[in-house]
Amino acid sequence: SQTIHQWPATLVQPVGSPLSLECTVEGTSNPNLYWYRQAAGRGLQLLFYSVGIGQISSEVPQNLSASRPQDRQFILSSKKLLLSDSGFYLCAWSPARGPSSRPQHFGDGTRLSIL
Amino acid sequence: DAKTTQPPSMDCAEGRAANLPCNHSTISGNEYVYWYRQIHSQGPQYIIHGLKNNETNEMASLIITEDRKSSTLILPHATLRDTAVYYCIVGGNDYKLSFGAGTTVTVRA
Repeated sequence: SQTIHQWPATLVQPVGSPLSLECTVEGTSNPNLYWYRQAAGRGLQLLFYSVGIGQISSEVPQNLSASRPQDRQFILSSKKLLLSDSGFYLCAWSPARGPSSRPQHFGDGTRLSIL
Repeated sequence: DAKTTQPPSMDCAEGRAANLPCNHSTISGNEYVYWYRQIHSQGPQYIIHGLKNNETNEMASLIITEDRKSSTLILPHATLRDTAVYYCIVGGNDYKLSFGAGTTVTVRA
């Protein structure tokens, strides 16, 4: 069966510091990968998605970036964090092939606090 | 641009069926209805999805009206562990699922 891992579970960072969040998927090949952010008390906002190695689509302009160095690895980065970057960051995957109704499956998230 | 409308909250008695409504009057022909739930401090959990026909799995049933403008998620025997925020989402095959505010469901003993 497929599993998705995110780490760390929680992170406290000072303003202006860099960020790197990692997500890996096991048990499937060539998945579609996604990064979402959820601000406190709000719905999920899609940040990036990827349909293959090196292929990244950005949904929201911001100081965050994403990379996919390997088939099942998705990384969210920032060079300088802002207070507004605080939130709950979620990685998700979906099968690349199959019926068009492929649901996304989420990891347990990283809770990021900026001080 | 919300594609779905859900009540902000609802209560349900433990052991009873919970019926969660969702309106999606602007749904297009190739868009599916997905349901997820999010328990506090966890990632969203996929529940069920459908296009036209009613669907059932081990977690829930999904009833979609014939005109596809609304749907109902049914949790047949709610337990305290079903307390969560439930999201009804409409999406096609463009990779984008838009999560709104959802319905906060509280199951009471």
